[in-house]
Amino acid sequence: NAGVTQTPKFRVLKTGQSMTLLCAQDMNHEYMYWYRQDPGMGLRLIHYSVGEGTTAKGEVPDGYNVSRLKKQNFLLGLESAAPSQTSVYFCASTQALLSGNTIYFGEGSWLTVV
Amino acid sequence: TQLLEQSPQFLSIQEGENLTVYCNSSSVFSSLQWYRQEPGEGPVLLVTVVTGGEVKKLKRLTFQFGDARKDSSLHITAAQPGDTGLYLCAGAVGSQGNLIFGKGTKLSVKP
Repeated sequence: NAGVTQTPKFRVLKTGQSMTLLCAQDMNHEYMYWYRQDPGMGLRLIHYSVGEGTTAKGEVPDGYNVSRLKKQNFLLGLESAAPSQTSVYFCASTQALLSGNTIYFGEGSWLTVV
Repeated sequence: TQLLEQSPQFLSIQEGENLTVYCNSSSVFSSLQWYRQEPGEGPVLLVTVVTGGEVKKLKRLTFQFGDARKDSSLHITAAQPGDTGLYLCAGAVGSQGNLIFGKGTKLSVKP
C-alpha cells in the first residue's frame, strides 16, 4: 500500500481513554478518508476530507473527531473510547474520485477498547 | 442515506467455475469502484467505472456498471484459488467526496 501510512498499527485502550490515529500520505492527494471495518459490516465511512482544512461527516461519525491541518496528514481522534469502538481502522487517500485515479489504503490500525 | 447492497455475502466454489457478484443501490453514483481485500491488509482497487452501461475487463474479471448508474456486477470466469478474498464495491456520490462501501462478498475458491 504505497504512500499511505497509519500509526499506530495496534493499540489497546481502556474505556474512557483518548487517543489519536495518524494517517500520512506522500502523494499530494486532496481527498482523505477514515473508515472502520467490523466483521460482516464492510467498511463504514467515519469522516472524510476533500482538502486541507476541510472535513466532513460520513456514515458513523459519532464518538470521533478529525483534523486536516496539513494536506498530507489526516488525524482521527477518540476523545473517550468505548468498547463499541473496537475495530480495524483504515485510512485512504486519492487525488479525486474519477476514473483513472487510484485510491490507496493504509494497512489498517487494530484498536481494542477494554 | 445511500446504501450499497452486495450479494451474495458468501460464495464457495470449485476451481474453474464462473461466478457473479452483484452490487445494488437505490441511489445514483457518479462512479463505482470494485476492490479486493486480503486478510490483515487494506482493500486494493481493481477498477473504477463511471459511465452508465460501461463494461471493463481485467483478465478473467469483467465489471459492468448499470445503465442508470445504480448497480454493478463483477463476473469472474474460470475462478482460481488465487481469486479467494473479500470483494467490495464502493460508490461515489457526486463530487462531494463521499465514498461508501457495500458489506462485501467473501469468495473462497477451492482447488
